[in-house]
Amino acid sequence: EAGVAQSPRYKIIEKRQSVAFWCNPISGHATLYWYQQILGQGPKLLIQFQNNGVVDDSQLPKDRFSAERLKGVDSTLKIQPAKLEDSAVYLCASSLVGPGAGGPNEQFFGPGTRLTVL
Amino acid sequence: GEDVEQSLFLSVREGDSSVINCTYTDSSSTYLYWYKQEPGAGLQLLTYIFSNMDMKQDQRLTVLLNKKDKHLSLRIADTQTGDSAIYFCAESKNTGKLIFGQGTTLQVKP
Repeated sequence: EAGVAQSPRYKIIEKRQSVAFWCNPISGHATLYWYQQILGQGPKLLIQFQNNGVVDDSQLPKDRFSAERLKGVDSTLKIQPAKLEDSAVYLCASSLVGPGAGGPNEQFFGPGTRLTVL
Repeated sequence: GEDVEQSLFLSVREGDSSVINCTYTDSSSTYLYWYKQEPGAGLQLLTYIFSNMDMKQDQRLTVLLNKKDKHLSLRIADTQTGDSAIYFCAESKNTGKLIFGQGTTLQVKP
């Protein structure tokens, strides 16, 4: 079974530029998550989709971050304009079940995109 | 609140047992998880425990849960150099959202 794919793996930009990340979840997984992991910290959820609807985007800085999941499969996360504090690893994860399904929610993570903002 | 705390660093000798500790704040969390992150890689689920359980054993891994004290621990028996990584505990919300601790770096010396 193919895992969660992300691209690019690394990106270096200057502040005030824009950047986009792409995620392809595991086939058949209804729920997709974007996490931000700042160096030395644990991942923090930015946005959660179930199919192509948003479940939770309470921690997404909506003045500069946007995300979409067209057709309930692939997803893109965009930052415009980027700030120095956006330097982090952006992790995409997917899970088979969604909220309220019961049972453990096993999330499968991609390798991440390491963003450096200069 | 949403706060998961872990100690930052643990160093052990190969063959010893490792114990990584975690405290959480949300008593309504249904499941608690342990993830492993190797350098340059995403997170890999190691194990999880249902909040009604006290203990779960899975090969070399033992998870202990003290729900009264909101304390979770992961014991790795016969620790190997390949176990060197960052270990994250996480609590889950009913939406499926995971709240992670800051991670414990496990160093295994030969």
